Amino acid sequence: DIQMTQSPSTLSASVGDRVTLTCRASQSISIWLAWYQQKPGKAPKLLISKASSLESGVPSRFSGSGSGTEFTLTISSLQPDDFATYYCQHYSGSSRTFGQGTKVEIK
Amino acid sequence: QVQLQESGPGLVKPSETLSLTCTVSGESISSYYWSWVRQPPGKGLEWIGYIYSSAITNYNPSLKSRVTISMDTSKNHFSLRLTSVTAADTALYYCARARSSSVFDLWGRGTLVTVSS
Repeated sequence: DIQMTQSPSTLSASVGDRVTLTCRASQSISIWLAWYQQKPGKAPKLLISKASSLESGVPSRFSGSGSGTEFTLTISSLQPDDFATYYCQHYSGSSRTFGQGTKVEIK
Repeated sequence: QVQLQESGPGLVKPSETLSLTCTVSGESISSYYWSWVRQPPGKGLEWIGYIYSSAITNYNPSLKSRVTISMDTSKNHFSLRLTSVTAADTALYYCARARSSSVFDLWGRGTLVTVSS
């Protein structure tokens, strides 16, 4: 099974900061990677698919990049609404696996 | 507007079977892949499996021996059955639409299931 590892587990940042979250796959998954945002008590929200394709309605300050085994989610200027936990998820082959999450908290 | 709503018992005894239903409103379930994802309290997300058109199913290998996902197009809902549950199955269970079986673009609000005697 493909394992997904996110780093860091927690990231402390301030409003306006540029932040980068990393997701690594245990083997190549091409571009078959999605990113989700989850706020406390809420269901996850799909932000990005195919590693870099922004979902409709998602602010342009979010961007994704990468292919193969290493991927990043960048928030260009952190906003108060962005403090949340972010998960990556691969969809290569028949299985679907999430990373363990990165919590973005207020510094 | 498409909406998903999970329903089912909030408490299940160890060794028994967990059964949940996801009712979809606003579109026919015949047209998409539908999935279950769970999240233990304070932990991350775990994909359980998906179903398409009552004929295609795909399950997480770690749960495959205990999981069945089915659908009833006449009621526009799909269901999860997880047998022989233990405390490790205590989680918030979400139903979700799986776009092209790959990414989860629409979610229910989730329902908490606790396994305890």
